[in-house]
Amino acid sequence: QLQLQESGPGLVKPSETLSLTCTVSGGSISSSNYYWGWIRQPPGKGLEWIGSIYYSGNTYYNPSLKSRVTISLDASKNQFSLRLSSVTAADTAVYYCAGSLSFDYWGQGALVTVSS
Amino acid sequence: QSALTQPASVSGSPGQSITISCTGTSSDVGAYNYVSWYQQHPGKAPKLMIYDVSNRPSGVSNRFSGSKSGNTASLTISGLQAEDEADYYCGSHTTSNSVVFGGGTKLTVL
Repeated sequence: QLQLQESGPGLVKPSETLSLTCTVSGGSISSSNYYWGWIRQPPGKGLEWIGSIYYSGNTYYNPSLKSRVTISLDASKNQFSLRLSSVTAADTAVYYCAGSLSFDYWGQGALVTVSS
Repeated sequence: QSALTQPASVSGSPGQSITISCTGTSSDVGAYNYVSWYQQHPGKAPKLMIYDVSNRPSGVSNRFSGSKSGNTASLTISGLQAEDEADYYCGSHTTSNSVVFGGGTKLTVL
């Protein structure tokens, strides 16, 4: 049973870069069975897919965020990470990491507030 | 990419059945059998309830079922219980290697 846990700063200043890490336990992040993703949810709103990375390192991003997003994988630490640059207040949300093709497994979520 | 279309809200009485629809296009819902449904209680992370259109993960009640016809997927909950009151989201993989979610449906158990 996979377990995922997000970590990172809860407050980011406008125009700066948001960085979050997802630590995976209960399985290897580089297993061919797995596909990893980041999803966010602004307060009171619905889910938005940010992007995903396969065990091979191939990445896919939401076209609306593509120019600002980087997702990477660190097999040695069993972690994958999200970087979102040039943030604004509109990027304030709970950020979830999730695993497996149907997002079977989710972290508890990390609230990131963009404010000066 | 546009969000999948779900009704904003549905309601039902305990014991009844309800169905939530999720309408997309031939580039997402209609393209593959990669439609999932998630349940989200307030302040909690989403929980996978249905994957690949109609499959239930281990531990999910058989009161939950999924189907698809063309570009529209559906989630049916039978024998409604108070604990089913939550937000429900559909999600689909797309032909451009992305994922798109629905706007969410608030289920109220009367």
